[in-house]
Amino acid sequence: DGGITQSPKYLFRKEGQNVTLSCEQNLNHDAMYWYRQDPGQGLRLIYYSQIVNDFQKGDIAEGYSVSREKKESFPLTVTSAQKNPTAFYLCASRRQSNTEAFFGQGTRLTVV
Amino acid sequence: GENVEQHPSTLSVQEGDSAVIKCTYSDSASNYFPWYKQELGKRPQLIIDIRSNVGEKKDQRIAVTLNKTAKHFSLHITETQPEDSAVYFCAASKTASGGSYIPTFGRGTSLIVHP
Repeated sequence: DGGITQSPKYLFRKEGQNVTLSCEQNLNHDAMYWYRQDPGQGLRLIYYSQIVNDFQKGDIAEGYSVSREKKESFPLTVTSAQKNPTAFYLCASRRQSNTEAFFGQGTRLTVV
Repeated sequence: GENVEQHPSTLSVQEGDSAVIKCTYSDSASNYFPWYKQELGKRPQLIIDIRSNVGEKKDQRIAVTLNKTAKHFSLHITETQPEDSAVYFCAASKTASGGSYIPTFGRGTSLIVHP
């Protein structure tokens, strides 16, 4: 089902803690993306990576960090510097061409 | 950068009616325009897409039209059914320098189809 997996589905975090969201794909896609989804805000780009060991900031990168050590994996860390981290996070991947993006099932992060 | 505006934010129709969702984009270099459907609690999935070298594309009850001059594209759903109820996102992307293709999404339209 899609070949891109996010975990966990639900995540609770205490204020001041860092948490890492997992994203793995077996589609052999070069490009991977992280989006944040808030009600009425659509999908806002946090970070993206076009190739292993390289990544770029998106529109709302502050308070987040990523790594791309393997083609299949693009984990997102939500740091304590992110002031309003409660949201639905979507990971996506696509071939290195202008085609459709495939999404993971999302992680809902709640700060308690 | 690219800016994609999507309207309306909410659309309520009766079963069997048609639904139209409109998007505008700012970057004339954008050349790929996908539409995604996101059911409640699920991942967005592609339902139809169009490239800048065509003006219209159909797939059963769904169609997309593109007006490059005006920089807008629309999703048309005919004979709506309750299972069409979802959030729909439009997006635009282009071939950028270094081979990057960053899709920019609209804010989404919540379509509600009443039985």
